[in-house]
Amino acid sequence: GAGVSQSPSNKVTEKGKDVELRCDPISGHTALYWYRQSLGQGLEFLIYFQGNSAPDKSGLPSDRFSAERTGGSVSTLTIQRTQQEDSAVYLCASSPGTGGYNEQFFGPGTRLTVL
Amino acid sequence: QKEVEQNSGPLSVPEGAIASLNCTYSDRGSQSFFWYRQYSGKSPELIMSIYSNGDKEDGRFTAQLNKASQYVSLLIRDSQPSDSATYLCAVIEGSNYKLTFGKGTLLTVNP
Repeated sequence: GAGVSQSPSNKVTEKGKDVELRCDPISGHTALYWYRQSLGQGLEFLIYFQGNSAPDKSGLPSDRFSAERTGGSVSTLTIQRTQQEDSAVYLCASSPGTGGYNEQFFGPGTRLTVL
Repeated sequence: QKEVEQNSGPLSVPEGAIASLNCTYSDRGSQSFFWYRQYSGKSPELIMSIYSNGDKEDGRFTAQLNKASQYVSLLIRDSQPSDSATYLCAVIEGSNYKLTFGKGTLLTVNP
């Protein structure tokens, strides 16, 4: 079946602009996660959704970051007033449910470059 | 601060050999352990999950878990050049949901 999809695959933007990143999870997966991977920091958790609710937003780096999920499916991560330190690969993952025994499957990622 | 530690490598093995990748974690409440493979420029791909002490085998891959020692490992038998990648160890604590990743070990399999 189809895996997790993300768009765009690459995004180049200027400092101060807003960007939206999209994630389409595996069909039927109720849990959706956003992670960020950068050279100096490795892979770090940002936020997760169970259905349309985001119980834990503690990983979001600043209030410039927000995310939503609609219809228990597609999620959008928005970064306002982008900064150069936001440059990274943003990865989305989904799992059948939450809890430790649910395997998370990653999408191809969006590479964000802030000039 | 929950930590997952891996040797950064690079780990270099000849084709056909056994590659051994190691990971330690700091949180004794950790219950779920995963190995992901990441090729350069690609996203992580799940290759093994393990939840109980002991060994779990899947094809050429064997994951080993020792909760008392807070240690998890991945063995790759009959290593192939196509196994050359970064291997990421990831842990979920208790009934938590988020993966905590190690920095990864770069494996190179030489023909």
